[in-house]
Amino acid sequence: DTGVSQNPRHKITKRGQNVTFRCDPISEHNRLYWYRQTLGQGPEFLTYFQNEAQLEKSRLLSDRFSAERPKGSFSTLEIQRTEQGDSAMYLCASSRRGGAKLEQFFGPGTRLTVL
Amino acid sequence: QKEVEQDPGPLSVPEGAIVSLNCTYSNSAFQYFMWYRQYSRKGPELLMYTYSSGNKEDGRFTAQVDKSSKYISLFIRDSQPSDSATYLCAMSADYKLSFGAGTTVTVRA
Repeated sequence: DTGVSQNPRHKITKRGQNVTFRCDPISEHNRLYWYRQTLGQGPEFLTYFQNEAQLEKSRLLSDRFSAERPKGSFSTLEIQRTEQGDSAMYLCASSRRGGAKLEQFFGPGTRLTVL
Repeated sequence: QKEVEQDPGPLSVPEGAIVSLNCTYSNSAFQYFMWYRQYSRKGPELLMYTYSSGNKEDGRFTAQVDKSSKYISLFIRDSQPSDSATYLCAMSADYKLSFGAGTTVTVRA
């Protein structure tokens, strides 16, 4: 069990640039989630995939955000035209099919700084 | 008002003390309850997962859920300096987790 991995771990970008993050879930997990965490707050739900289908998007996810999970394996989260308010830790989590499927296991996160 | 309220602390205790953490919530649809531990600049690590009201014990950790009061607790016995972290409560009605803001705990050696 290698756990959930995320790349890059840190990203510094200038306002207006596009950024893309990658998440590799635990291999047997079919559910994948993205959350955003700002300093001093708990993570906030952004979006959820079951296999390759994106089943829910939070209203926090503006039109500048897009997430994909081709072939139901890894996922990418892209932010277009970044704003300073996008600075946060972006967390990916996965959970398995069946059983205690709501036990979500988190990756180390990608810390985004928008200058 | 947030769906999940958690006292941010900080909480400082001597080594060996019992750490008591709690959260309240307003959404009566929540039926799954979790506690995560998060070290600085790391992702949250799942500590405890409970479904029903009552107590669940795992080593030095005990989770309590009182659905009638919409109140959950986590107790850490014989606390160690390595327990120093931020503890996040999380809950869900389906698959989407709603988190508290986290309580920062320091265990002094």
